[in-house]
Amino acid sequence: EDQVTQSPEALRLQEGESSSLNCSYTVSGLRGLFWYRQDPGKGPEFLFTLYSAGEEKEKERLKATLTKKESFLHITAPKPEDSATYLCAVRRSNFGNEKLTFGTGTRLTIIP
Amino acid sequence: DAGVIQSPRHEVTEMGQEVTLRCKPISGHDYLFWYRQTMMRGLELLIYFNNNVPIDDSGMPEDRFSAKMPNASFSTLKIQPSEPRDSAVYFCASSLYGSGNQPQHFGDGTRLSIL
Repeated sequence: EDQVTQSPEALRLQEGESSSLNCSYTVSGLRGLFWYRQDPGKGPEFLFTLYSAGEEKEKERLKATLTKKESFLHITAPKPEDSATYLCAVRRSNFGNEKLTFGTGTRLTIIP
Repeated sequence: DAGVIQSPRHEVTEMGQEVTLRCKPISGHDYLFWYRQTMMRGLELLIYFNNNVPIDDSGMPEDRFSAKMPNASFSTLKIQPSEPRDSAVYFCASSLYGSGNQPQHFGDGTRLSIL
């Protein structure tokens, strides 16, 4: 069974204080690892897809990296508008499978 | 472009009543997904469709839950009879079929409270 564990559960940072969120996964053949952002009262919003170990993707203050066992979401010099819950999900590689398994998320708060 | 549209946004009803949640996927998307989100268990996939056909319903908790997709523009998730433990936020998502890893795009959910 696929498993995704995110840590920490919650993180409070001062504005400008860089940090990283962790996503550890167990999956039989990774086809893709996805990062989403979720604001209160909203649905998850897609950020990145990573396919293979060593891959990195960036968007504004966010950079996602991938190894064979985990992914990190690095946030550099965050601003209050980066406050949200960040979700990680994996998709297995078997043909025709579109199922995502999600972690429970990291709730990030950026204090002005 | 319009995103995934869900209705109602909020639903409060009494135990035993039938509940119907509705979803309009993004036009042209081949896949439609229903999820449930709770504090304890996070986001869980209930069922998904490809070209209106159910592919995997292994996440549907029990026979009280049913989902249909009569056409490419509309899907429903029904709970009958509803129970307090069904209280959660239900999300619908859609995605395109493609050779790459197409992301799922989510609606803003229906917050369901069963009293």
